Amino acid sequence: GESVGLHLPTLSVQEGDNSIINCAYSNSASDYFIWYKQESGKGPQFIIDIRSNMDKRQGQRVTVLLNKTVKHLSLQIAATQPGDSAVYFCAEKGRFGNEKLTFGTGTRLTIIP
Amino acid sequence: DVKVTQSSRYLVKRTGEKVFLECVQDMDHENMFWYRQDPGLGLRLIYFSYDVKMKEKGDIPEGYSVSREKKERFSLILESASTNQTSMYLCASSFGTRPSGNTIYFGEGSWLTVV
Repeated sequence: GESVGLHLPTLSVQEGDNSIINCAYSNSASDYFIWYKQESGKGPQFIIDIRSNMDKRQGQRVTVLLNKTVKHLSLQIAATQPGDSAVYFCAEKGRFGNEKLTFGTGTRLTIIP
Repeated sequence: DVKVTQSSRYLVKRTGEKVFLECVQDMDHENMFWYRQDPGLGLRLIYFSYDVKMKEKGDIPEGYSVSREKKERFSLILESASTNQTSMYLCASSFGTRPSGNTIYFGEGSWLTVV
């Protein structure tokens, strides 16, 4: 079946540095991608999304890059802060209908003071 | 802001008990979802609903049922709780077919322990 995976289960970054979290997906028909942040004991929180007709989208301190050729998605967080420590999930959705999202297992980002 | 509210944050139930997990959203979303989240397994979809009184099985529906009598409310039911249903349960909602509305918004989660 289709799957969404993450290259690294854990990532440690010095406070103030930029971080990059990667995600690979296998469904070439996926046309919508989301990044979520989940802090300990809380539900996933929407960060940013991107559609397949875009390569890049920027938010506040976050940028999502989509490379459809190699089916790769990344989340860049600029000038990381202690509050960025969390698990980050990517999710993808197919082109048609109200199809469910498929989630990766997550990457734990730890910000080192 | 979108708000998805799960009525119970922490529950402890006995094996064989019937368990109800309630979820309410305030954004008039058509779609509602129940996921469970377990270490190493990520989020797995149990059931979802596109409209009132409609439901669709997700990836792991066994041992669960759902009810959607009103648009804003989606209930997850464990008919006879078992220890392997100890997990964190997440409710979510999203707009239906609107082009920019595919984002799924989550509640804070319900931690269920079955003893």
